[in-house]
Amino acid sequence: GIQVEQSPPDLILQEGANSTLRCNFSDSVNNLQWFHQNPWGQLINLFYIPSGTKQNGRLSATTVATERYSLLYISSSQTTDSGVYFCAVELDFGNEKLTFGTGTRLTIIP
Amino acid sequence: SAVISQKPSRDICQRGTSLTIQCQVDSQVTMMFWYRQQPGQSLTLIATANQGSEATYESGFVIDKFPISRPNLTFSTLTVSNMSPEDSSIYLCSVRGGDREYEQYFGPGTRLTVT
Repeated sequence: GIQVEQSPPDLILQEGANSTLRCNFSDSVNNLQWFHQNPWGQLINLFYIPSGTKQNGRLSATTVATERYSLLYISSSQTTDSGVYFCAVELDFGNEKLTFGTGTRLTIIP
Repeated sequence: SAVISQKPSRDICQRGTSLTIQCQVDSQVTMMFWYRQQPGQSLTLIATANQGSEATYESGFVIDKFPISRPNLTFSTLTVSNMSPEDSSIYLCSVRGGDREYEQYFGPGTRLTVT
């Protein structure tokens, strides 16, 4: 099946810092989404971004489908950004099922 | 986006027993899924809950262990049967196919501990 690797696995930053999270996938996809799992376990959908660039406040994401990667940018980090970030992909001509990546655990220190 | 509730939010169960988890969505959705998240791990898809027919299970998951119902477009249940400590996980209901057709949303999860 498709492989979805995220890097780095862990990231510890001071409040106010910027960060870039990466998602590499092994096959062509037609659906890619980024999620944030907060410390209480709730998963929040951040972006639906099979290609191109989107921005939402301090967060932005870029997917380069031809090169099989996506990036999530977080600027001016806040402690509420802490948690685990997952990307999830669906294969081209797939069966509408998302495969989740390995995750990046982000810790923002005040 | 859809609002999803799950019951119970957490439970502690004895081995050999079964637990049924309920998932309710505030709007009709095309697709409902059940995921498992073991401690410190990523999410793994258990099955797709199909309305009016049997669920479609992923490799490694079987109907006898994880029976699923989906009687309508807003409700589904997952039962974890004959539990063992290895079943201790967060179980998450997820939906797609509301007003934002390709985006997927998650319920708050059910934290299950099996002793």
